[in-house]
Amino acid sequence: DAKTTQPPSMDCAEGRAANLPCNHSTISGNEYVYWYRQIHSQGPQYIIHGLKNNETNEMASLIITEDRKSSTLILPHATLRDTAVYYCIVSGTGANSKLTFGKGITLSVRP
Amino acid sequence: EAGVTQFPSHSVIEKGQTVTLRCDPISGHDNLYWYRRVMGKEIKFLLHFVKESKQDESGMPNNRFLAERTGGTYSTLKVQPAELEDSGVYFCASSQREWSYEQYFGPGTRLTVT
Repeated sequence: DAKTTQPPSMDCAEGRAANLPCNHSTISGNEYVYWYRQIHSQGPQYIIHGLKNNETNEMASLIITEDRKSSTLILPHATLRDTAVYYCIVSGTGANSKLTFGKGITLSVRP
Repeated sequence: EAGVTQFPSHSVIEKGQTVTLRCDPISGHDNLYWYRRVMGKEIKFLLHFVKESKQDESGMPNNRFLAERTGGTYSTLKVQPAELEDSGVYFCASSQREWSYEQYFGPGTRLTVT
């Protein structure tokens, strides 16, 4: 079972920031927080990951709370193409690198 | 650089038949994963190869499923005999090294068992 909980859906206006929350209260010390998204029926796409520090890349920012029990994915300027299902996943590396997907959160970006 | 490719994109077979799905990972990627989404359910992990060895096959549903990765390059997933509940989308993903974080997913194979 997924170790994360996410609200089922949210929407935001195009050009505004989208803040997607995730709870992972049972995360272990050596587990990472990953975010993937699935646009329509395509294969999932990696967005970002983090252990305990905040992270930023060209797609998004990841804010992890100090106790690591929750995180927020931030899409700074959402576009219509960001409409997708976003998955917050807790996983390890190496032999523990399998991804356990939950239901994810459906983000709808409106014009 | 080519991404992860999967063949076929769509397969329709009858119950009891055999189907083989193929995945070509990104060149040089040691890790290869199979996942699937059956109707109305979440994407589920099936198994993980490191080169040609099965690292984790805890997600394989039963012995009707056989995955191979000869030579550590492409992988095949055979379903024999197929059952109605095997219908769904089968995804393959790859990552470069043992400690790589990002998994690159293919477009998936949609399997329909009638």
